This record gives sequence, C-alpha cells and structure tokens, in this order.
Amino acid sequence: GENVEQHPSTLSVQEGDSAVIKCTYSDSASNYFPWYKQELGKRPQLIIDIRSNVGEKKDQRIAVTLNKTAKHFSLHITETQPEDSAVYFCAANIWSGGKLIFGQGTELSVKP
Amino acid sequence: EADIYQTPRYLVIGTGKKITLECSQTMGHDKMYWYQQDPGMELHLIHYSYGVNSTEKGDLSSESTVSRIRTEHFPLTLESARPSHTSQYLCASRELSEQYFGPGTRLTVT
Repeated sequence: GENVEQHPSTLSVQEGDSAVIKCTYSDSASNYFPWYKQELGKRPQLIIDIRSNVGEKKDQRIAVTLNKTAKHFSLHITETQPEDSAVYFCAANIWSGGKLIFGQGTELSVKP
Repeated sequence: EADIYQTPRYLVIGTGKKITLECSQTMGHDKMYWYQQDPGMELHLIHYSYGVNSTEKGDLSSESTVSRIRTEHFPLTLESARPSHTSQYLCASRELSEQYFGPGTRLTVT
C-alpha cells in the first residue's frame, strides 16, 4: 500500500546551522507533498507544500525539493533558530485526493 | 472565524465509560479525519469521511466508531474506554490541498 518513510527520527543542530529532513514515498501517482510543523502541545500546521510540476519551492528560510524519479522529497531549513524546534511531518497524496499519507515525524532540536 | 473545533480539550474518565469526542468545522469541507497521536509521535489515522453518510476505518485498528450526519460535525465514540485508549485524538478536515487540524482532545483513561 501507500507508504511514506521519513528520516531522521531525531535531529539536533546548533542555532544558525542548516537542517535537512528527507522523505521517500511509494505511490508514483502522488503529486502533492506538504510539510507540517507541530510545536509541543499544539496542533500540526502546514508550513510549506510542493506539487509535482515543480522541483523546488522556497519560503524565506525553508525550502522543499522534489525528485519524482527517485520518489524523494526533502525539507531544508537554513539559519535555524530555537523557535524552529518542533516535530516535522512530511506527507504525500494525490492533490485533492482522499488521504494524506504521513511520515513518521522528525523531532528537530535547535540548540542556542 | 473559519476553524476546526474539538471538545473537550482534556478528559479523564474511568475504565468502561462511554465517551464521545466532538469535532466541528466551519469551513464547509467534505473530507474529515480522526488521528490518534501520542505526544510527539506518529499520526495514526483511525477514521475518515468523504462526506455526509460516508465513513471508513483508517490504517490503525481502533475500537471507536464515528458518524457523519452533517457536513460540519464528525464525532468519535468509544463505547467502553480502556487504559490503552489513553492518547491524544486529533480531528482534521480538508478540501483540495491543505489539511487543517483541530487543537486535539487529550484523553486519559484510569
């Protein structure tokens, strides 16, 4: 069935460094790839998404890249700050389709 | 304000009790979902609905049931709560792309 694998499960970086989280999906029909951030005790919220007709999308310090051939997509956070500390989830789906398939989550810790 | 609401936010109950977790959204979304999540851990889909009178079981086996009589309302019921049901339950809704999550209900069964 559909599956999304996310790595690493935990990531610790120094403030100002970059962080990269990687995901692999199994369903080649997937064409929508969102990333959610969940701060401690709060609900997951969308931070960036990409559709399969583009290879990269940036929004200030965050960017997402997509390699459809390899079925990989990644989240890149530059100049990390302590407020970036959270659990990040990737997901894959056919745009407007039924279910988002979530990765297992990555706990990012940014040390000041 | 368009949002997704869950009540109660926190609930402590004894084993064997029947409970209903409420979820309502004011965005007119057809698709709604229930997830079970231990703090900071994976999101496990337990139920979903694509519209009124449509309900499906998710990927994680659950002893709960759901109903979808109105577009905006998607309650989850546990007929007999057990300590293994202790967790956070997140409701979500979606139309085309972005999925919105509710604030969650943190359930403790003693």
